[in-house]
Amino acid sequence: LAKTTQPISMDSYEGQEVNITCSHNNIATNDYITWYQQFPSQGPRFIIQGYKTKVTNEVASLFIPADRKSSTLSLPRVSLSDTAVYYCLVGPNSGGYQKVTFGTGTKLQVIP
Amino acid sequence: NAGVMQNPRHLVRRRGQEARLRCSPMKGHSHVYWYRQLPEEGLKFMVYLQKENIIDESGMPKERFSAEFPKEGPSILRIQQVVRGDSAAYFCASSPFGTSGRARETQYFGPGTRLLVL
Repeated sequence: LAKTTQPISMDSYEGQEVNITCSHNNIATNDYITWYQQFPSQGPRFIIQGYKTKVTNEVASLFIPADRKSSTLSLPRVSLSDTAVYYCLVGPNSGGYQKVTFGTGTKLQVIP
Repeated sequence: NAGVMQNPRHLVRRRGQEARLRCSPMKGHSHVYWYRQLPEEGLKFMVYLQKENIIDESGMPKERFSAEFPKEGPSILRIQQVVRGDSAAYFCASSPFGTSGRARETQYFGPGTRLLVL
């Protein structure tokens, strides 16, 4: 699985847009990029997944440049409840199972 | 549709005892994964199971740890003769059965079982 690098922590004020970038220089052709969110004392929760360009859902947007060596999770207008750890994962989505490996993630602290 | 359920949520064991962690996947999911998370660390893959089959146990310690997913009932992660280093949060995830016969990628996680070994 491609190794990922993310900032260890970020702070943001409520109402701001937050962008968390993940580097994955060794991403393979059949790898997808998936982001999970984890609150304290809870299991990770799927946020968004993409392969290239831009993906948007009701929670977040995911921007992936043409070379796919990085990706950016964008959270619009964060609130205090968005304080969590965000994990970037890279792995195949070829119909087989994804043996995901979580890094240490990015700890986002939203400040009132 | 109930999510992934794990019990117990908290488990305290003394060194040398056995720990049994249970996981009931989401309805319609036939793929189960177990992960371990140490404090301040990310989740580490342990094992992937389908009903009655262990598909990948490459992340499981060679000794004392075992997992099963019987035809009926929850998946069980068993840790025999626990040691203090086994103290961690253990998460179970499940995913649907894909049309190709393989798991579809998005995994849905349970709330975890926090094991404390005294």
